[in-house]
Parts: sequence; C-alpha cells; structure tokens
Amino acid sequence: QVQLVESGGGLVKPGGSLRLSCAASGFTFSDYYMSWIRQAPGKGLEWVSYISSSGSTIYYADSVKGRFTISRDNAKNSLYLQMNSLRAEDTAVYYCARSPQGDGMDVWGQGTTVTVSS
Amino acid sequence: DIQMTQSPSSLSASVGDRVTITCRASQGISNYLAWYQQKPGKVPKLLIYAASTLQSGVPSRFSGSGSGTDFTLTISSLQPEDVATYYCQKYNSAWTFGQGTKVEIK
Repeated sequence: QVQLVESGGGLVKPGGSLRLSCAASGFTFSDYYMSWIRQAPGKGLEWVSYISSSGSTIYYADSVKGRFTISRDNAKNSLYLQMNSLRAEDTAVYYCARSPQGDGMDVWGQGTTVTVSS
Repeated sequence: DIQMTQSPSSLSASVGDRVTITCRASQGISNYLAWYQQKPGKVPKLLIYAASTLQSGVPSRFSGSGSGTDFTLTISSLQPEDVATYYCQKYNSAWTFGQGTKVEIK
C-alpha cells in the first residue's frame, strides 16, 4: 500500500541541527513532487518546502530559507530535510507528503515531532 | 509573497446545513488551489485540487469553485463526520496554506 514514514525527529537545543527522513513505499517515488509541512502544537498547517520529481525545482518558506535544505534520493525512495540553526519556533510535528506534479498533496505520513528547547 | 486568507476562522452549523468557506489570495493564482480537511488528532486529507476537482473517494457533498483570487469550499449538507478544520493551499511557485477554518456542529 502507498505509505510515507517519517523519522529523525527528537529534542534538540536551540542552534542545533536535525535531519528528517521520509521513506516512501507502494508507488513510483520518482514520479512525484514531495513536500515537508509542519504543524506547531495547537496551530495550523505551515508549508515548509517542496522538491520536484527530479529534484531540479526546490522552494522554501521564508521562515526556513537559508536554514533548511530539502533533498531526495529517488534510488532509495527517500526524502530528507536537513534542519540547521534550529529555533524554538521550529517546534512542530513535521509531515512529509507526496504531490502529483504539484497538484495538491494526496498522501501524507503520520509525522515526526521536533522539539527545540534548552 | 502571496498570502492566503480564509474566512470565517470558525463556524457552527446544524446537520444538513449548507456551509461555505472562503479563501482569498492576495494576488491571482489561476486555479492552483487545494482544500484539505484535518480532523482532530488526524493527518490532513486532500479534498479538492485545481480549485474544483474532487479528489477520488471524497463525498460529493464537498465542492470547490473559484479562480484568480477568490475561492470557496462548499459542504452542501453538513454531516457530523465533517467536524474538522479546513485549510486552503495555493501551489503555484511557493506554496502557502490559509490559516484554517474550524467547523463545528451546532
């Protein structure tokens, strides 16, 4: 079945780094755009970044630009988010999601929790 | 950057009511708009993409319309299982979500 499984979340101190991973299965990973979305406790959805199917097109939200890097390995069916210079306001559940050529996000993972605190 | 503004931020309606949620873009986005439903404690679910195309498996009481800057999500007959927060999302160039609309049963 189509599945996305995030991993790599945890507790990190302000200024620290973390790398999230998203393992895809049940579909042809290289056919889809992939995205990271986050949701702070009790707050709404915030789009973080997306990467096109080939990796040639990448966009970031202004709130993470210059600190986060999205990447993918189509041979490993995996999506990544390298998060540097983490701040308290980056605390959230991070979801990965697939997008058929950018037309909405039709499959979401269950999320991984990132907590930035001293 | 293009901002997405939803209204209202919350609403309470009776079972069977017609419910309309509005999403406004600060600049034109053609029809690059999706709608999501997030039930409490659950992962978001895609309802509509390309402003008006119903995602497979979504009940037909949900519909979307609009183009350019003004969009609507309509639930033709509100059901108890529709209690959720609804988000619009634009997806031309950088993506952005609206702030959400919480729908409750009166």
